[in-house]
Amino acid sequence: NAGVTQTPKFQVLKTGQSMTLQCAQDMNHEYMSWYRQDPGMGLRLIHYSVGAGITDQGEVPNGYNVSRSTTEDFPLRLLSAAPSQTSVYFCASSSGFEQFFGPGTRLTVL
Amino acid sequence: AQSVTQLDSQVPVFEEAPVELRCNYSSSVSVYLFWYVQYPNQGLQLLLKYLSGSTLVESINGFEAEFNKSQTSFHLRKPSVHISDTAEYFCAVSEMKTSYDKVIFGPGTSLSVIP
Repeated sequence: NAGVTQTPKFQVLKTGQSMTLQCAQDMNHEYMSWYRQDPGMGLRLIHYSVGAGITDQGEVPNGYNVSRSTTEDFPLRLLSAAPSQTSVYFCASSSGFEQFFGPGTRLTVL
Repeated sequence: AQSVTQLDSQVPVFEEAPVELRCNYSSSVSVYLFWYVQYPNQGLQLLLKYLSGSTLVESINGFEAEFNKSQTSFHLRKPSVHISDTAEYFCAVSEMKTSYDKVIFGPGTSLSVIP
């Protein structure tokens, strides 16, 4: 049981480039979410999904897209990276009242 | 909409001393409350949660938190800290009325245990 996995662990992008952060879970959880963590701001919800085919925006959705074609996968897409998107990104899944977090992706946009 | 405040961004404490990490929340409806811990270079892990029943909840490693509805608080305490407790601690809230597990996190408190 791998839990929640995220790839890559580290990524450096140039302004304007696009990329996809991968997230997968093997716990058959319906609810999945993406957060970004910035110093002094805690975790802010970017997008979430309550099941395959259903997604919605969180607190800071601008500049990010998501889709949920399967229960297991919930990729996060940066369409045109900006320096303001430099952050650590966490994916989480839950069923009930505990969220399980992946190890994070540290993204730097130059 | 709910929000979470953690007034102390950094808390240094000597080993074996007691510690309290403060958390206050704001919500127009009843809530569930959580404390998560993040060790260096790791993701977050659930430390303890309040869903209903006894207002005092405990973790397996000696932390406890008390839900105080009148003060809208959920402070985290430990009577004697250990070096291994050094970590970032996040208070979080989820509204009872939602049918999914949307959780809002506070800004975090960095606990540093000094030998």
